[in-house]
Amino acid sequence: GAVVSQHPSRVICKSGTSVKIECRSLDFQATTMFWYRQFPKKSLMLMATSNEGSKATYEQGVEKDKFLINHASLTLSTLTVTSAHPEDSSFYICSAAGTGGYTEAFFGQGTRLTVV
Amino acid sequence: LAKTTQPISMDSYEGQEVNITCSHNNIATNDYITWYQQFPSQGPRFIIQGYKTKVTNEVASLFIPADRKSSTLSLPRVSLSDTAVYYCLVGDPAKGQNFVFGPGTRLSVLP
Repeated sequence: GAVVSQHPSRVICKSGTSVKIECRSLDFQATTMFWYRQFPKKSLMLMATSNEGSKATYEQGVEKDKFLINHASLTLSTLTVTSAHPEDSSFYICSAAGTGGYTEAFFGQGTRLTVV
Repeated sequence: LAKTTQPISMDSYEGQEVNITCSHNNIATNDYITWYQQFPSQGPRFIIQGYKTKVTNEVASLFIPADRKSSTLSLPRVSLSDTAVYYCLVGDPAKGQNFVFGPGTRLSVLP
């Protein structure tokens, strides 16, 4: 299958700072990228869907000014957690889908964010 | 709102075949059925995808009845390393549709 690389895998930041997470599709063009967050022993919760070149569509209850998503190219999407607070600590996962003959979505390794 | 329903948990023993069924009564005409496996602190890993009838790959089989309102993931001869959470999703992610997870099935394989 295709490879999606997410970076960093783990980050610790101070409360009030911003953190950027990158998601790259390495061997196919991702026309769509999904961002999820996951709490311990819970399922993945969809935060937003972004299509290349368009603004992201956020799920209800997700603050778009706090979780900035950029999908400027067919191989890169970023999620920026602005003014992070301890309650933003979570496991964030990206997923990419698109061309290259793939009908499935592929997932990154996830980013463990800890806000102290 | 999740579009799928699965058992919350299942137990099995090494060497047995495991079948996990997922209900998706409101599946749309263009939706695919995709199964993922997730280990703790890792992103989900693609297992298998199908649209109708039966699909088989090197790790699993997927059975889909004619009405497509359910599907069954079959894992032959499971081992301890198959202990994970298994998710069934319906949708067409390549078309830019939101791709929503249900609660998944936590499979525990015992020695």
